[in-house]
Amino acid sequence: SAVISQKPSRDICQRGTSLTIQCQVDSQVTMMFWYRQQPGQSLTLIATANQGSEATYESGFVIDKFPISRPNLTFSTLTVSNMSPEDSSIYLCSVAGQGRGYTFGSGTRLTVV
Amino acid sequence: EDQVTQSPEALRLQEGESSSLNCSYTVSGLRGLFWYRQDPGKGPEFLFTLYSAGEEKEKERLKATLTKKESFLHITAPKPEDSATYLCAEETSGSRLTFGEGTQLTVNP
Repeated sequence: SAVISQKPSRDICQRGTSLTIQCQVDSQVTMMFWYRQQPGQSLTLIATANQGSEATYESGFVIDKFPISRPNLTFSTLTVSNMSPEDSSIYLCSVAGQGRGYTFGSGTRLTVV
Repeated sequence: EDQVTQSPEALRLQEGESSSLNCSYTVSGLRGLFWYRQDPGKGPEFLFTLYSAGEEKEKERLKATLTKKESFLHITAPKPEDSATYLCAEETSGSRLTFGEGTQLTVNP
């Protein structure tokens, strides 16, 4: 299955600033997914990123707040913009495995102060 | 609306005490039912995918089963290292995964 490297692993940010999270996969994949896991809760899909097209956002998530780039088949970034304490969460990227479900990165733990 | 409900929210077992975790899912457009294990501070680790009612899969002390409306994760003779949060997720159209809230399992030695 694919190996995902996610950076940074954690960060503490000031409110009103932005943070860009990077996701690197060791193989080419068509679709990459970004999830949010709020404290004590389960995972919620933010958006699906296909190479060469605009990301598709789930209900409740908008491009101005969570812009996504997908410049090639192995890399994607998620930016959390104009952060507030409510954005404190773990952000995870994911790719479809080959017969092994979806593989997740180790996550970025974001704290907004 | 796709919905996944897991029970119990938390489960404490003694080492060797077998039990089962439940996952109820909506039936519209199911493409797969996934089980993951998540340790604190880590991303979910894939365990099983089930596609049709009656299907079963096993891995070490874990066995996942699927009916038309539910999935069960059976844990046989658990060990302390099985302590983790277990998540189930339903895959629907567009490769979307809808996750349940998880069951936090603690196995005491």
